[in-house]
Amino acid sequence: GIQVEQSPPDLILQEGANSTLRCNFSDSVNNLQWFHQNPWGQLINLFYIPSGTKQNGRLSATTVATERYSLLYISSSQTTDSGVYFCAVAPYNNNDMRFGAGTRLTVKP
Amino acid sequence: EPEVTQTPSHQVTQMGQEVILRCVPISNHLYFYWYRQILGQKVEFLVSFYNNEISEKSEIFDDQFSVERPDGSNFTLKIRSTKLEDSAMYFCASSEFRGGTEAFFGQGTRLTVV
Repeated sequence: GIQVEQSPPDLILQEGANSTLRCNFSDSVNNLQWFHQNPWGQLINLFYIPSGTKQNGRLSATTVATERYSLLYISSSQTTDSGVYFCAVAPYNNNDMRFGAGTRLTVKP
Repeated sequence: EPEVTQTPSHQVTQMGQEVILRCVPISNHLYFYWYRQILGQKVEFLVSFYNNEISEKSEIFDDQFSVERPDGSNFTLKIRSTKLEDSAMYFCASSEFRGGTEAFFGQGTRLTVV
């Protein structure tokens, strides 16, 4: 099945810093989504981005489908950005999503 | 904005008991999914469901598990004879189409087996 790798596994930042999280996947995809898991365990959908670039406030994402990777940018990080960020993809023939292992982000005040 | 809702948010059950986790997908969606996340691990696909049938299932989804759409709005996951290792967060999701469309996730049900 499709493999999803996220890097780095852990990231510690000072408040105000910028960061880039990466998601590599092993096959063509029809769906790619980025999630933030909050301290209560809820998955907050950040972006649906199977290709192209999107921005939402301090967050933006880019997926280069032909090269099988996606990047999530967080600018001017805040302590509330802390948590685990997951990338999830689905192959062309269905929407059964496969998640990466996540990047645990800690933003220190 | 439409959302997927799951109940209960937290359930505690005795080992060996049966539990039913409930989900209300977005009303015009046709494809439904269950995922599991053991504490500290990644989210894993369990099963997809369309037109009252299982479309795909992972190796995790064995005879202990079953899914059902008992009426026009609910989608349930039944876990029989629960084990300690079934303790996890269970997420329901739905999408309008089979592929190339966003999947919407519920807030999850935390199952604790004691």
